[in-house]
Amino acid sequence: DGGITQSPKYLFRKEGQNVTLSCEQNLNHDAMYWYRQDPGQGLRLIYYSQIVNDFQKGDIAEGYSVSREKKESFPLTVTSAQKNPTAFYLCASSIHSNEKLFFGSGTQLSVL
Amino acid sequence: AQSVAQPEDQVNVAEGNPLTVKCTYSVSGNPYLFWYVQYPNRGLQFLLKYITGDNLVKGSYGFEAEFNKSQTSFHLKKPSALVSDSALYFCVDRFGGGFKTIFGAGTRLFVKA
Repeated sequence: DGGITQSPKYLFRKEGQNVTLSCEQNLNHDAMYWYRQDPGQGLRLIYYSQIVNDFQKGDIAEGYSVSREKKESFPLTVTSAQKNPTAFYLCASSIHSNEKLFFGSGTQLSVL
Repeated sequence: AQSVAQPEDQVNVAEGNPLTVKCTYSVSGNPYLFWYVQYPNRGLQFLLKYITGDNLVKGSYGFEAEFNKSQTSFHLKKPSALVSDSALYFCVDRFGGGFKTIFGAGTRLFVKA
């Protein structure tokens, strides 16, 4: 079955630590996205990538970094500079910019 | 600035009754409007979209939405609610068909048996 796989499902970060969230898709989509979901708020865009080796900042990119070395993979690193990282992180992909998003099942990140 | 408003945090409806989840968007260029549903601890699933054409859009699971340009609204509807429809619903504008997206804050739908 085609889809998007996010891992791990739960992740804990210690103070000053960088952590990386994995996102893999086998839908052959060019575009991939990372969103952050906080309770009572809609999703906010962290980064997006239109194509391999290219990515753009979204609305809340500070404290995060990404890479897109392969079409299937778009990992997100939450750096120590992100002072409030506790949230539910969702990865998504789409065929084109105006097409529907396909979402992974998410990673819940918490701070120890 | 572009925005999407979902004026109700929560909607309660009895099973078998019609349901409406409201959404309004700000006017700037051409809206590309979507509805997504999120079940607990899961990713979002696409329900339907409006880009151009018919103002009444039909989607998954019996849902439909009506685009109203004069009222800048895109309300989600279903003629007969099911308990399994209970979830969090998001209205989304991918304005101009670009990569950036504006999500509403979400409306939690409770359907009581």
